[in-house]
Amino acid sequence: EPEVTQTPSHQVTQMGQEVILRCVPISNHLYFYWYRQILGQKVEFLVSFYNNEISEKSEIFDDQFSVERPDGSNFTLKIRSTKLEDSAMYFCASSVGPNNEQFFGPGTRLTVL
Amino acid sequence: EDQVTQSPEALRLQEGESSSLNCSYTVSGLRGLFWYRQDPGKGPEFLFTLYSAGEEKEKERLKATLTKKESFLHITAPKPEDSATYLCAVRYSGGYQKVTFGTGTKLQVIP
Repeated sequence: EPEVTQTPSHQVTQMGQEVILRCVPISNHLYFYWYRQILGQKVEFLVSFYNNEISEKSEIFDDQFSVERPDGSNFTLKIRSTKLEDSAMYFCASSVGPNNEQFFGPGTRLTVL
Repeated sequence: EDQVTQSPEALRLQEGESSSLNCSYTVSGLRGLFWYRQDPGKGPEFLFTLYSAGEEKEKERLKATLTKKESFLHITAPKPEDSATYLCAVRYSGGYQKVTFGTGTKLQVIP
């Protein structure tokens, strides 16, 4: 069964450093998303991406964040100048269409020290 | 103001003891209500999509229903392996493709 994959599973970084989180969405899906979940809190939307451009972003997704689809399979989230409060689980998701269910990856746990 | 509210926050059941989880929503122009299961340290696992009031979906011991204001996830004769956090999420007009999640119900099923 096709699934969304994410690497790395755990990333530890120093405050102020840049990190890139990687995702491989399900192959026939056209819509891609990033969400985050701070420990003990709810899953929060960051950004959606379609046709090589951002289609929607939340207030959390400021200039510190960027997304890219560098090739036909990968979808990345870059966080510049990480802060302590960026520590969270980051989930990638994908869907066939804009109104279809989203399938989530296993997540990357980001720890900022 | 919370748009998606789930109750109870936590639920402890004996194996075989059926119950229901509630998800109430205040958004207008619902374009889909989704149920997910999340195990500790893992990503949400898709269970059901409901689009209109009166719709029902069923899978094994789980049944999801939808009204104009809320959704229920009924668990019949649960087993310990059903222990997880169950998340409700909605997509609505004006929200484009994003889904907005509730805080979840943490279910523990005791043998």
